[in-house]
Formats: sequence, structure tokens, C-alpha cells
Amino acid sequence: GAVVSQHPSRVICKSGTSVKIECRSLDFQATTMFWYRQFPKQSLMLMATSNEGSKATYEQGVEKDKFLINHASLTLSTLTVTSAHPEDSSFYICSALAGAYEQYFGPGTRLTVT
Amino acid sequence: DAKTTQPPSMDCAEGRAANLPCNHSTISGNEYVYWYRQIHSQGPQYIIHGLKNNETNEMASLIITEDRKSSTLILPHATLRDTAVYYCIVRVALTAGKSTFGDGTTLTVKP
Repeated sequence: GAVVSQHPSRVICKSGTSVKIECRSLDFQATTMFWYRQFPKQSLMLMATSNEGSKATYEQGVEKDKFLINHASLTLSTLTVTSAHPEDSSFYICSALAGAYEQYFGPGTRLTVT
Repeated sequence: DAKTTQPPSMDCAEGRAANLPCNHSTISGNEYVYWYRQIHSQGPQYIIHGLKNNETNEMASLIITEDRKSSTLILPHATLRDTAVYYCIVRVALTAGKSTFGDGTTLTVKP
């Protein structure tokens, strides 16, 4: 199947700093990518939909000024967690649509804010 | 997207078939049934999807009832590496479609 990568896989940052997470589709172009967040022992929660060349669409309750999303090319979407706080510590997962039917997920990024 | 209902957990003996049920009684005519699984601390892995016909691939089989209100994912010969959380999702197959995850079923394959 198609491959989606994320970088970094793990990151530890201090409270108040910003962290950027990259999501890349390695062998296909993705007009649409999605960002999810997963807290321990919980399911994935969709944060936002990222469309190449346009503004992201955020789910209700997700602060767009705190979670900045940029989808500058058909193979790259970035999520920047601004002014991170310990409650932002989570597992962040991106996914990309490969055509109309299949959605492939990245391996996830473990963010720890100290 | 339609909601799905899955049992929270199931056990299966290694080498036996694992049958994971999913109810999606409010599914719409243009919504597909997708199955993903998530092994601990990894991103979800696509398994299979279908509309109304039964489907089979190298990983699993998907059986969809005639009224499409429920489905079953079958892992024919479960191994210890199949231990994971399995998610059943229904969504439209459009480029703007998105997957809404429920709580899934935690499958534990035991030796």
C-alpha cells in the first residue's frame, strides 16, 4: 500500500515553545490530508482537514491559531503546535487520501511537553 | 458519516479465525465500510473496505450483510502479531471524505 511518513517520530519540548510536525506522502500525491490526535487509551480524534493550496478546515473545539496547518505541496502537510503546554502532550497522526477510496496513515508523532 | 458499534474486546486463539463484528444500522447508500487496525503506539493500518459485496485480500475478508446494516471482518488464521485495536468505519468514498473513529475492538490473540 501507499506510504505516509511523519517526522519527527518523537519530540520533547518545553512549555511555551512551538513544535512542527511534518507529514509526507512518499509515493503518491495527496490533495487532502488529515490530522488526528490520540490521548492514551482513547480513540483517534480528528483535528483538521488539510487541503493543498487552501486553508485547513478545523473540527469543532480545535483552536486554529494554536494548531497551524500548512499544506504547501501535494506531498507535504505540516502541523505546528504553537506555545505548547503539557496538556498538548499526545500522539499526533496524519493521514492522506490516495484517490477516492483509500486513506493511509502515518506512523504518528509522540509529543511530550514538559 | 454513520456511526458504528463494535464490542470493546475479543480474544482469539492463535491459528484460529478471528471474526470481528460491526453494526452500522444507519449506513447510507453511498457509504463504504472500512476496516483499520492500530497496533500499540503506531498509526492505523488499512485492512480492507467494501460497499455491498464481500471482499477478500491478503490480510482479511469482509462480509457485509445484504441489508448492509452490519459487517464482519475475518482474519482467517490469527497470529500474535494481529493483536491490535480494530476500527470499523463507514464513510463516503469521495476525495473529501474523512474517517471518524469510534472506540474499536481490542483483539487479543492468545497462544
